[in-house]
Amino acid sequence: KNQVEQSPQSLIILEGKNCTLQCNYTVSPFSNLRWYKQDTGRGPVSLTIMTFSENTKSNGRYTATLDADTKQSSLHITASQLSDSASYICVVSGNDYKLSFGAGTTVTVRA
Amino acid sequence: DTGVSQDPRHKITKRGQNVTFRCDPISEHNRLYWYRQTLGQGPEFLTYFQNEAQLEKSRLLSDRFSAERPKGSFSTLEIQRTEQGDSAMYLCASSLARNEAFFGQGTRLTVV
Repeated sequence: KNQVEQSPQSLIILEGKNCTLQCNYTVSPFSNLRWYKQDTGRGPVSLTIMTFSENTKSNGRYTATLDADTKQSSLHITASQLSDSASYICVVSGNDYKLSFGAGTTVTVRA
Repeated sequence: DTGVSQDPRHKITKRGQNVTFRCDPISEHNRLYWYRQTLGQGPEFLTYFQNEAQLEKSRLLSDRFSAERPKGSFSTLEIQRTEQGDSAMYLCASSLARNEAFFGQGTRLTVV
């Protein structure tokens, strides 16, 4: 069973609108949580990385939150642009070298 | 470009042939990872190197897969006697200790 679950699997939003992606994890012990953006046919690119003590982190129009008690994270995209169309992957790192990946949420932004 | 580099970007091969992919990590990064990603799924861990030592190999990898990282620099992933089920994106990532992992653009393998 995957230790990182993401929802929704996919979503379609209109340009300029906001959206929120969810990530629940069971990885333990916990070191950090990262959100990556992956364009079709390309490698993932890091958006944010948060450790246990961080509740929120922003990168431009992307804002990630982390609740380490409930083991939940969210990624909020503000004022979406066509270039935000991509897969967004939640990645959790334990206290070793392994990264546990979610299956990703595919976001499609339409004009 | 000082990022993670993978070569080739695309590979089409006939079933039964051998293929080899190369990954050049960011120069000072001591950790190197290989992942496999199929359509609509997140990357799956294949193997991990710390410097030149291969510390773990996933059960996903059959005996047809082998990876090396001579001298702790670049790495190669070889697949022998390819099967159609091997068709996927093969991603390489590198990091310095437990810091952020940076990914390459991937090698898209199609086995026909």
